[in-house]
Amino acid sequence: GDSVTQMEGPVTLSEEAFLTINCTYTATGYPSLFWYVQYPGEGLQLLLKATKADDKGSNKGFEATYRKETTSFHLEKGSVQVSDSAVYFCALFDGGGNKLTFGTGTQLKVEL
Amino acid sequence: DAGVIQSPRHEVTEMGQEVTLRCKPISGHNSLFWYRQTMMRGLELLIYFNNNVPIDDSGMPEDRFSAKMPNASFSTLKIQPSEPRDSAVYFCASWQGLSGNTIYFGEGSWLTVV
Repeated sequence: GDSVTQMEGPVTLSEEAFLTINCTYTATGYPSLFWYVQYPGEGLQLLLKATKADDKGSNKGFEATYRKETTSFHLEKGSVQVSDSAVYFCALFDGGGNKLTFGTGTQLKVEL
Repeated sequence: DAGVIQSPRHEVTEMGQEVTLRCKPISGHNSLFWYRQTMMRGLELLIYFNNNVPIDDSGMPEDRFSAKMPNASFSTLKIQPSEPRDSAVYFCASWQGLSGNTIYFGEGSWLTVV
């Protein structure tokens, strides 16, 4: 079945550091890929998405590229801020199965 | 659009009581999902509906859990009787049903069973 594997957290960075959160997936079809963010005490918000191979999703300085050859969708940001502290979830959506499969989430802590 | 609306946002109840969580999906979305989030198990899909019909309820943990969608604008998730291990955040999400479209989540219902 479909699965998503994320790097374990927590990830602790200093403000303005470079961020990478790794995400790899297994899927039988051609899924869409998403990054969702969950701030403390809140629900999940869509951060960015990519619907086909080589697409790059971007939002708020975050980027991720859909790499079919490595089945990856790593999240990157060039300079993180304290306000980016949250839990980040990688997810894939298999339209055929109508199911959004999540990774376990990676907690990011950004310190001054 | 107001987004996916869930109620209650927070509920504390005693073990054995019935709990009903409610969800109003985004207008025009024809798929609705119920997820549960816990520290131990992360995000789990409990059930999803397509055009108000339950399609996959394999994630529902046991018979104490039931979900209904009587019309396109309303769904409930019921736990009867509730147990402390049901304490979690329950998210409702909706989707327009087109490939590549985003699934939108509600703010969640934070349930504590004591």
